[in-house]
Amino acid sequence: RKEVEQDPGPFNVPEGATVAFNCTYSNSASQSFFWYRQDCRKEPKLLMSVYSSGNEDGRFTAQLNRASQYISLLIRDSKLSDSATYLCVVKPISNFGNEKLTFGTGTRLTIIP
Amino acid sequence: EPEVTQTPSHQVTQMGQEVILRCVPISNHLYFYWYRQILGQKVEFLVSFYNNEISEKSEIFDDQFSVERPDGSNFTLKIRSTKLEDSAMYFCASSFPGTALNEQFFGPGTRLTVL
Repeated sequence: RKEVEQDPGPFNVPEGATVAFNCTYSNSASQSFFWYRQDCRKEPKLLMSVYSSGNEDGRFTAQLNRASQYISLLIRDSKLSDSATYLCVVKPISNFGNEKLTFGTGTRLTIIP
Repeated sequence: EPEVTQTPSHQVTQMGQEVILRCVPISNHLYFYWYRQILGQKVEFLVSFYNNEISEKSEIFDDQFSVERPDGSNFTLKIRSTKLEDSAMYFCASSFPGTALNEQFFGPGTRLTVL
């Protein structure tokens, strides 16, 4: 089983719709979770961290289910500018904080006008 | 806003040649990383670096690869004898010591093409 698995998509969604992505991870050890966004041929950029209790940042909501080992990202009222690849990322927790990021293959989202 | 910079943006080289990819991390960051992304594939970790030592490296980071912080600002990745399969986008990243959630900031990448 891959360390981090995502549906590659593509998801083609009309503007204003709500879209949700899931991601599963295989390592049940203590880890931190993140959603990154990557535009075509650009660097990954942190979208949001994922907290155990779930968290929201504007139109974006992230959820973590440790028992089932999956993470979700919900985008409400999608905008054209949300078109990108969304990367599920995990990182081991330690006292140092410089552990490697493990990326999923990403889910491609295209918002249609 | 401070950012990670990388040079060159695109490097074309012949198989077997040495290349050096350069990065300037964010100035107060202490942890440095290299990742690569082969076209159409996921971002993969290569190496992390702290206090002038490698902290962790992946299986990809074999004897052909090396990293160096030659001065107080630059962080370099050297590939001694490039192979066709080294063609990829190479991203440098840096982070500041802190909590487990401390963000890694990525540079814009260097696209390496090996012919």
